[in-house]
Amino acid sequence: AQTVTQSQPEMSVQEAETVTLSCTYDTSENNYYLFWYKQPPSRQMILVIRQEAYKQQNATENRFSVNFQKAAKSFSLKISDSQLGDTAMYFCAFPDSGGSNYKLTFGKGTLLTVNP
Amino acid sequence: DAGVIQSPRHEVTEMGQEVTLRCKPISGHDYLFWYRQTMMRGLELLIYFNNNVPIDDSGMPEDRFSAKMPNASFSTLKIQPSEPRDSAVYFCASSFQRSEAFFGQGTRLTVV
Repeated sequence: AQTVTQSQPEMSVQEAETVTLSCTYDTSENNYYLFWYKQPPSRQMILVIRQEAYKQQNATENRFSVNFQKAAKSFSLKISDSQLGDTAMYFCAFPDSGGSNYKLTFGKGTLLTVNP
Repeated sequence: DAGVIQSPRHEVTEMGQEVTLRCKPISGHDYLFWYRQTMMRGLELLIYFNNNVPIDDSGMPEDRFSAKMPNASFSTLKIQPSEPRDSAVYFCASSFQRSEAFFGQGTRLTVV
């Protein structure tokens, strides 16, 4: 079975600083996507960024970027210039797409608090 | 598009009652997922459909849970009979061709 591990249950950062959330996964697949989702107190699950495994270039979306290391099966999220609105649970997600299967499996999440 | 629409947003029911959660996926999406979120177990995939056909229901906890997708624009998740331990937030999500999933706002279910 595929697994997704987020080793940091909670993190905090000062407003305007940079923070990195870690995620590791396990797969035997070669082509796949990886995702980071954000869940603010409103509980809405929001896609933050996605990375395609066959692309060597790390994905970037405004203040959000990833450090994707395929060989190490590591997929960390960097948030630059943190804002109070970034306070949320962050989930790393990985599609278990073995064969005809397609399960989007989530890590346990990291609760990020941005302090003023 | 309005996104994935779930109803109701909140549901409070008594133990033993039947509960039906509803979902309208994004038009054109071919995958639909039902997730359950609790503090203890995080986000669990219950079942998913591809082109209205159930592909994997191994996450459905018990026979009390059932899901249907009669057409491309509607799905239901039913719990009968409901129990207090079913209390959770239930999410529906849809995606197009194995890309990112878009989530509804969730249904908070409380069984008393």
